[in-house]
Amino acid sequence: AQSVAQPEDQVNVAEGNPLTVKCTYSVSGNPYLFWYVQYPNRGLQFLLKYITGDNLVKGSYGFEAEFNKSQTSFHLKKPSALVSDSALYFCAVRDREAAGNKLTFGGGTRVLVKP
Amino acid sequence: DGGITQSPKYLFRKEGQNVTLSCEQNLNHDAMYWYRQDPGQGLRLIYYSQIVNDFQKGDIAEGYSVSREKKESFPLTVTSAQKNPTAFYLCASVDRGKAFFGQGTRLTVV
Repeated sequence: AQSVAQPEDQVNVAEGNPLTVKCTYSVSGNPYLFWYVQYPNRGLQFLLKYITGDNLVKGSYGFEAEFNKSQTSFHLKKPSALVSDSALYFCAVRDREAAGNKLTFGGGTRVLVKP
Repeated sequence: DGGITQSPKYLFRKEGQNVTLSCEQNLNHDAMYWYRQDPGQGLRLIYYSQIVNDFQKGDIAEGYSVSREKKESFPLTVTSAQKNPTAFYLCASVDRGKAFFGQGTRLTVV
């Protein structure tokens, strides 16, 4: 079975400071990993993905994430947070070798960026 | 304008009634998914379909049913057997692992 854990329900950060949102995963095979962002009463929007290759992935709006196989982590980062980054962030995983292409999401982390 | 369209945006249902949530896509994606979102619980997979006329149960399929008669459409029926149907429902189509989400339907049982 595959799973995703986002250990923090909420992350508070001051505008201009670095932002990190944590994610760890569990799959039987090798993972495809994703980050999505959700604004109130809206669907999720894609931020970035790790498929293979370079462990540091750059995505939309200045976000990046680092794949760490030994720690089974895929933390989302932004060097300088903006108030407009305040939203709900979801990490997701798909097992590359599993049949069915099941996409599993974590519980979400709410980010609050204060001016 | 391409994308995923969910309708209606808000839906009210009386206890004991079945309701169907619509999800349409014009992205020509084979795979489509239904998720349920509850406060503090993230997204939970209800059903997914990899191809027309085929679908699989997700983690919380009880009380729900789906059909995939056309590539563009993946409607979700919330039956009276679903004991706690009030939630935000999200539909997505997936291409090479990347999911494209609709704007969601908020279902409330009154």
